[in-house]
Amino acid sequence: ETGVTQSPTHLIKTRGQQVTLRCSSQSGHNTVSWYQQALGQGPQFIFQYYREEENGRGNFPPRFSGLQFPNYSSELNVNALELDDSALYLCASSPGPRGSNQPQHFGDGTRLSIL
Amino acid sequence: KQEVTQIPAALSVPEGENLVLNCSFTDSAIYNLQWFRQDPGKGLTSLLLIQSSQREQTSGRLNASLDKSSGRSTLYIAASQPGDSATYLCAVTPGDSNYQLIWGAGTKLIIKP
Repeated sequence: ETGVTQSPTHLIKTRGQQVTLRCSSQSGHNTVSWYQQALGQGPQFIFQYYREEENGRGNFPPRFSGLQFPNYSSELNVNALELDDSALYLCASSPGPRGSNQPQHFGDGTRLSIL
Repeated sequence: KQEVTQIPAALSVPEGENLVLNCSFTDSAIYNLQWFRQDPGKGLTSLLLIQSSQREQTSGRLNASLDKSSGRSTLYIAASQPGDSATYLCAVTPGDSNYQLIWGAGTKLIIKP
């Protein structure tokens, strides 16, 4: 049991719509990262939040945005959905500040399908 | 640009065998390397984390080694069991950007009873 929960588990949207995915980090974990995993591939880093501020971003366009809240929950928002956005979206939390040698704890992800 | 490769992409072995999964990375300047397990449709479970100053880590039947100079890591699984069937992924934290993980595509492991 990792303690990281994501909602919803599955979601179907159409092109052009907007979506919000949610994550509840393990208690006391002040760092949260979001990843996109296409079928059969490794995850791709989207961004990371530390104490409610973005402190790193991967090669994703601005229509991917996020928020982290004081209660350790966080959101991933995607605007103007495209077919290629279909993927498993994973949230991961860790207890330490960025750079600490602490393993990240993952949720089971949200499977997003774009029609 | 850091790239992580895992070979083979898939592996099927009989129960009870010892096996080795391979991970290679192109830039030796890493902060740490981690091995994860992913069951179908599920998230990722951290198995072992090796800091850049370490050579290996062990947990139960699992042993992971790290050779930074050659850009290689191996995950050794002893006495494999059907419950070990999953996809195993390795990921590195680059030394110049220690907030993200860069992943291999994984090795899908099937242990036959």
